[in-house]
Amino acid sequence: QKEVEQDPGPLSVPEGAIVSLNCTYSNSAFQYFMWYRQYSRKGPELLMYTYSSGNKEDGRFTAQVDKSSKYISLFIRDSQPSDSATYLCGGGSYIPTFGRGTSLIVHP
Amino acid sequence: DGGITQSPKYLFRKEGQNVTLSCEQNLNHDAMYWYRQDPGQGLRLIYYSQIVNDFQKGDIAEGYSVSREKKESFPLTVTSAQKNPTAFYLCASTRGGLDYGYTFGSGTRLTVV
Repeated sequence: QKEVEQDPGPLSVPEGAIVSLNCTYSNSAFQYFMWYRQYSRKGPELLMYTYSSGNKEDGRFTAQVDKSSKYISLFIRDSQPSDSATYLCGGGSYIPTFGRGTSLIVHP
Repeated sequence: DGGITQSPKYLFRKEGQNVTLSCEQNLNHDAMYWYRQDPGQGLRLIYYSQIVNDFQKGDIAEGYSVSREKKESFPLTVTSAQKNPTAFYLCASTRGGLDYGYTFGSGTRLTVV
């Protein structure tokens, strides 16, 4: 079992939709969690990271962590075609472990 | 602007050859990392370095080597011992310590021909 599980998708939504991306993790020692966005043939870029359970908001993005159920979520409000990318979740206590990434397609 | 520069963007390797991938950062970050990305497999850690002249093996270090002679530079050599080197290679850096906001380079795509 991988430490961080993530459905690869693709997830296809219409422009303006609320997107929910999810990951589960198995290691209860994880202390921090992160979300990255990766466009095709580019390096990942950090969207958000957090140390605690609860919600963290940044513009249209909200990261949610539930340590009791080992569940990580990223919500994207008012999704745009430019949000079409692969989204990587990760977590760790020292060196992070990443999920496989979820491919998101936002169509006009 | 500060960032991480990886070169070359594309690299072709013949069987039995060693090749070196360059990674340079001007962020004054202490820690640097090399990841390999394959379709459907996510990011896998090859090597990392927390300080100059010190580095540690990651999960898939076999067939790779690194050096960290300068804070700004962390080159990766893919040796002939790496039997399946075709992949997308990503370099990253952080300030170290409790900073987990990784900055990634734009990657090098290595293909064996």
